[in-house]
Amino acid sequence: DAKTTQPNSMESNEEEPVHLPCNHSTISGTDYIHWYRQLPSQGPEYVIHGLTSNVNNRMASLAIAEDRKSSTLILHRATLRDAAVYYCILRLLSNFGNEKLTFGTGTRLTIIP
Amino acid sequence: GAVVSQHPSRVICKSGTSVKIECRSLDFQATTMFWYRQFPKKSLMLMATSNEGSKATYEQGVEKDKFLINHASLTLSTLTVTSAHPEDSSFYICSASYRVLGYGYTFGSGTRLTVV
Repeated sequence: DAKTTQPNSMESNEEEPVHLPCNHSTISGTDYIHWYRQLPSQGPEYVIHGLTSNVNNRMASLAIAEDRKSSTLILHRATLRDAAVYYCILRLLSNFGNEKLTFGTGTRLTIIP
Repeated sequence: GAVVSQHPSRVICKSGTSVKIECRSLDFQATTMFWYRQFPKKSLMLMATSNEGSKATYEQGVEKDKFLINHASLTLSTLTVTSAHPEDSSFYICSASYRVLGYGYTFGSGTRLTVV
């Protein structure tokens, strides 16, 4: 899988928007951009994914740069429950039979009350 | 949908014994499952990929005789930590590939293994 680079940690105030960046300069045309988050002592949880267009769901929005070399996960109004480690991962959809999902270091998001 | 159930959530075992961890896909068929381990404050490290009906593919540095993986059905994969030692204490997480367009993966809730 292509590599992603994220800041180690970020802080945000409660009820404010949070923008979590991810660089993936070696992304290929068939790589989907996935975001997961992990709460303490739990398995990762799916947040959102996209390919080229910006995406919105009930949890977050995903803004993808036009050249796809970077993306930003947007939490519109952070709550204390959003404190977690956020992972940006590239997944090759067509890589059946040889797929692999490897995690980088992720961004530890702290929400300040 | 796409729920993966992992059991047990916590286990404490004596050094030298073996421990089996189960990972079940509850509402879909998981052709491919993945096993990770995670140390405190660290990221997930992929240990192996298992495909139903075939041998698991282990990542470099992971002992296949130590960490036995069986994926005998489309809904169940197991990881057995054999002859466990304190250094095997870790958080183990399974994941299944969910083949909806671009969706990706769903994860179990993890197993905290403590070897005493």
